[in-house]
Amino acid sequence: ILNVEQSPQSLHVQEGDSTNFTCSFPSSNFYALHWYRWETAKSPEALFVMTLNGDEKKKGRISATLNTKEGYSYLYIKGSQPEDSATYLCASPPYGGATNKLIFGTGTLLAVQP
Amino acid sequence: GAGVSQTPSNKVTEKGKYVELRCDPISGHTALYWYRQSLGQGPEFLIYFQGTGAADDSGLPNDRFFAVRPEGSVSTLKIQRTERGDSAVYLCASSPGLAGAADTQYFGPGTRLTVL
Repeated sequence: ILNVEQSPQSLHVQEGDSTNFTCSFPSSNFYALHWYRWETAKSPEALFVMTLNGDEKKKGRISATLNTKEGYSYLYIKGSQPEDSATYLCASPPYGGATNKLIFGTGTLLAVQP
Repeated sequence: GAGVSQTPSNKVTEKGKYVELRCDPISGHTALYWYRQSLGQGPEFLIYFQGTGAADDSGLPNDRFFAVRPEGSVSTLKIQRTERGDSAVYLCASSPGLAGAADTQYFGPGTRLTVL
């Protein structure tokens, strides 16, 4: 079955630093890549759904890129703030999108210190 | 508008007992999903519904787990003869059902199940 991997496992940065992390997935049978942010004691929040190779999406200070040929996506946060502290998850549906189920990575835990 | 809600938020039960977890999706969303997350792992798919029917139940770990969505809105996840290994956060999500596997799934806050 599809294996989605994320790195690093955790990241500690200072307020104002820019940071990025990686999501890797098999490039064959790719259909879509989802990014979520999950703050403690809250619901996971959808950030982006990306489907096209070379796609770049942006939401405020957060942006993401997608390379379906080599099987990776980068999430960037510009000028990190303490409120960005959360676990960032990526997920992809297997079997070329024949099912809506998502296979999640284990997440990157971001801690932003004031 | 209202998001996905789940009840209870916390459930503590004893090994061997039966539990029911409820999910109220966003109004009008035809697809509903159940995942569970154990410590240190990403959410793990259990089952999803399109309308009233289970479109993919390949993630249910065994026959102690069962889910229903009789009227195409609220869903209940039922776990019989609970085991300590069932302890996890059970997440529900819903989506409009318009874009298949590219549909944004909107998650609820989860039910934390602890089996003693």
